[in-house]
Parts: sequence; C-alpha cells; structure tokens
Amino acid sequence: DQQVKQNSPSLSVQEGRISILNCDYTNSMFDYFLWYKKYPAEGPTFLISISSIKDKNEDGRFTVFLNKSAKHLSLHIVPSQPGDSAVYFCAASPSSGSARQLTFGSGTQLTVLP
Amino acid sequence: DAGVIQSPRHEVTEMGQEVTLRCKPISGHDYLFWYRQTMMRGLELLIYFNNNVPIDDSGMPEDRFSAKMPNASFSTLKIQPSEPRDSAVYFCASRRTGPSRGYTFGSGTRLTVV
Repeated sequence: DQQVKQNSPSLSVQEGRISILNCDYTNSMFDYFLWYKKYPAEGPTFLISISSIKDKNEDGRFTVFLNKSAKHLSLHIVPSQPGDSAVYFCAASPSSGSARQLTFGSGTQLTVLP
Repeated sequence: DAGVIQSPRHEVTEMGQEVTLRCKPISGHDYLFWYRQTMMRGLELLIYFNNNVPIDDSGMPEDRFSAKMPNASFSTLKIQPSEPRDSAVYFCASRRTGPSRGYTFGSGTRLTVV
C-alpha cells in the first residue's frame, strides 16, 4: 500500500511553460514534505520542502503547494527549462518517530522540450 | 565534504553469486539508509541505521538480503544468493539528527544480475 503516490509516471512540457507535478499521500501523520530531483546516473538531490504549517513555499522558479485537507501537494516550475528534465520524487516524513524517515513516491519523469 | 560515497558504481554478476554493496556516509551523520529504486516501485526503503545500530529492516525483501554497519563510516548491503529480480539501482543516504529532515544520497550502485 503506497502511502505516497505520484500517479503520472511522465510529463512533457514546452520550454518556458509551467510544469506541474502532483503528489498525493494517505498517512495523516505526515507533516513534512520534500521534492527531490534525480538526473540519470546520479543520486536524488534535495530540491524544496514544505512544512504542514504552511500551504506554499517558493524558491526561485520552484514553488510547492500543500493542500492538507486533500492530502495533496504539487510542485510548480516556472518557467521550465531543458535542464529541468529529470525524475522528480515526492517524499513525506512523519511528525514523530526517531528517524522521521522519508517515504518516497514512485517518481515522475519530466521532459522539457526546447 | 565528499558526500555519500557508494561503490561500486556498476555491478554485473551471475545469478547465485554473492554481491556486496558499500557505502560511506557523510562524516557526522548518525542516520544511514539503504534504498532500492525500480521502475515499478520507485524508491523503496530497505533498512536504516541510527548510530550504527539497525533500527528498521522491515523493507528488506528476503533473507537473502543483509546489511551491516560496523562503524560510523562504513556500511554494506549484501545479497546472497543474488537473483535476476534483484537487478535495480541501490542508493545509500545519510542525515544528521536535527530539524532538517532531508537526506543526502550517494550516486547509487546499478546492479545487474544475469
């Protein structure tokens, strides 16, 4: 039973347009959410995060939105650039537990077309 | 800071052979995680350690998998005997206890069992 779901395995957008990647979760104990970006032959790297006390966090071209009632978050990239082409993983962490380990979604392959 | 270092980068082995994957976490990080990435399931947590002690190994798929952390700077993930369905990319990640919940990942080991 996947607690973090990314239902779109792939997404293609035109350079300069907005990319929207979606993520849903089921565990009400999750209170911290992160997005990781992964290029081929590299490990995932941290991109942006959001705490459940907020509904939006922005960092340059990247914005994460959190809708707690819907248990849904999304990552917006504006404007999209070819270098953004990568696999994006959504991750969630619970409010308690010694490690507060991350549970990852299955990833979305974003392709930004020039 | 050299980051999380994994070796080997690629491993091709025959079914039935023993495989050992290695990880050196970032100095000072007291949590270490082993993940497996597959197309179908994305990033799955296999096991994690805190201060060199295994805390949760519920993600280890079978008894063929074992992991050790003999000291703070080294961990191994062993598969014996290996099977073709073990083919995947295996990632090691580490983090430090504290408010930040993000992990630093290594570049991964791509395992192919033929």
